[in-house]
Amino acid sequence: NAGVTQTPKFQVLKTGQSMTLQCAQDMNHNSMYWYRQDPGMGLRLIYYSASEGTTDKGEVPNGYNVSRLNKREFSLRLESAAPSQTSVYFCASTRDRVYLETQYFGPGTRLLVL
Amino acid sequence: GEDVEQSLFLSVREGDSSVINCTYTDSSSTYLYWYKQEPGAGLQLLTYIFSNMDMKQDQRLTVLLNKKDKHLSLRIADTQTGDSAIYFCAAMDSSYKLIFGSGTRLLVRP
Repeated sequence: NAGVTQTPKFQVLKTGQSMTLQCAQDMNHNSMYWYRQDPGMGLRLIYYSASEGTTDKGEVPNGYNVSRLNKREFSLRLESAAPSQTSVYFCASTRDRVYLETQYFGPGTRLLVL
Repeated sequence: GEDVEQSLFLSVREGDSSVINCTYTDSSSTYLYWYKQEPGAGLQLLTYIFSNMDMKQDQRLTVLLNKKDKHLSLRIADTQTGDSAIYFCAAMDSSYKLIFGSGTRLLVRP
């Protein structure tokens, strides 16, 4: 099992460009999450999907959209990137939203917006 | 809402014990977690504790929970250089989401 995979690993964007971060899990988990990690701060939740077909906003959703494509895949889209979105983005999944002890994280996508 | 705070940095000698502290604000948090993040990697769950427990031990790791003071600690016995990493405390809020502290960077000196 690969666990949680994310692509790309690194990306540099210019302000105003768009991109989609991809995430996939092979653990048959129901719930998936997108976090961002900024220097000196803990992870902050951007969006989550409690189950296939549902998505909800987290703590910092502005400037992002998500798609739960199927049970395995959960993508994060930046429509018009801004320098404030420079961060490391982590995808995670859990068996179910109440079983956070089963949460597995991907290796992260490092995004730089110039 | 929930707020989780940790000290930023801890340095210990190899073989000593490390104690990383965390405080949280929401007394209704049912689960509290410790994660480890190595350079360039994602977070790895180390251990967690349910709020009706005072202590949990798992090999070299001991978690202590003081519910009255809303204080959580992680003790690593016989700390090794491989334990050097950032350690995050997190609390589950009332809507089953994790609220993370800002992380404690542990440096283990040979």
